[in-house]
Parts: sequence; C-alpha cells; structure tokens
Amino acid sequence: QQQVKQSPQSLIVQKGGIPIINCAYENTAFDYFPWYQQFPGKGPALLIAIRPDVSEKKEGRFTISFNKSAKQFSLHIMDSQPGDSATYFCAAGRNTDKLIFGTGTRLQVFP
Amino acid sequence: GAGVSQSPSNKVTEKGKDVELRCDPISGHTALYWYRQSLGQGLEFLIYFQGNSAPDKSGLPSDRFSAERTGGSVSTLTIQRTQQEDSAVYLCASSLSHARSYEQYFGPGTRLTVT
Repeated sequence: QQQVKQSPQSLIVQKGGIPIINCAYENTAFDYFPWYQQFPGKGPALLIAIRPDVSEKKEGRFTISFNKSAKQFSLHIMDSQPGDSATYFCAAGRNTDKLIFGTGTRLQVFP
Repeated sequence: GAGVSQSPSNKVTEKGKDVELRCDPISGHTALYWYRQSLGQGLEFLIYFQGNSAPDKSGLPSDRFSAERTGGSVSTLTIQRTQQEDSAVYLCASSLSHARSYEQYFGPGTRLTVT
C-alpha cells in the first residue's frame, strides 16, 4: 500500500522529443505528488508537484498529468534538451509526512 | 537564500566504527527528514522530525541507527557499529511544513563508504 511504482527504468530520446515517465500508487490517502530531478553527485531537486484536486499542472516545459481514478500520474518533458539528461523520481506523500519514492528513471537526451 | 547543507560530503569508515552525519536545514523550516539512497536505487525514508513532536522513526533499518535534532534546527544521524550494507548516500531534506506547503528541499547528501 505504501509503494510507488515507476516506469520505465531508463529512457533515451532525441533532442526535441517528449519523454514520458509514469508512476502508480496504491494509498488513496496520498495528497501530494512531487517529481524530483537528480544529477550525478547532487541531491534531488524539486521539479514540479501536483495535488489530487487538479488533473494537470504545467511549469515551463514540464507537465504533470494526474488520473485520480486510476491512481496514476506522469511527467511529460516538452522539447527535451540534452541538459535534461538526469534521473527523475516521482514520489507520493500525505500532508507533511515522509515521501514514498519511485525507483527512478534515467533519462538520456541526445543532440 | 541558503539551502540545506550536509557534512561531511564524503565519509569513509571501517566496519564496526561509529559515524555521525550532520544536517543544517533551511532557516525557518520546521520539518526535517533523513533518507538513504543506495547505489542506483530510489530514496528510502529513515526518520522525520516535525517541530517539537516525537519523531517518526519508522524507517530506521536497525537499532544501530539513531538521530536527534537539537533546538529545532540542526540534526545529527548516528550509525553505530557500521556495516558494509550501510554504504549509501544519506540525504537530508527540510520543509516549511504548513498547510499547502509540503515541498521538501534536499541537501547534497553525505556519501558513506564502509570498508
């Protein structure tokens, strides 16, 4: 019930492509769903987050789509750039409690 | 403003020794979290401090792990009698932790290697 399942494990796209990373959760009490971006040797950086009262949120080239009935959410990166190459983690949490993280997706964007 | 800072950035220790890892949260953040990231893995929750409340220790993997938070600010994670399986990056995060503000901000981590 506490797991967050993330796929794919790795993703390779060309510059300008739209990589999509998917996550699924079980616990319907979760009310906060952030995405983190992590570069090698660095801590995770908060990218974008969504609450279950909306189905989509956009910030720049990053979009979260949220499907409450399916208990799934996804990250779309528009017009991907080589600088977006990193590992992306989804997470879920309730209130200010601990976050449960997915296992990560390693994205490579080739020029 | 200053982000979450952690020290040391790297720590190599011999099996059986004790280690202390330090976290300085963002000023004014009342919540502090410790996570562990093993090589190529996701983040595993360890412990959570929220203001003056009793900490949530549900993620600590064994009684060799403990943490404290002094004065509602700096936190220290202590691992006693380290084992090789303790080798990982230990990440600290902090949060304002009030209604509609759940964002957790991470430090750079401490890479612990147990030889």
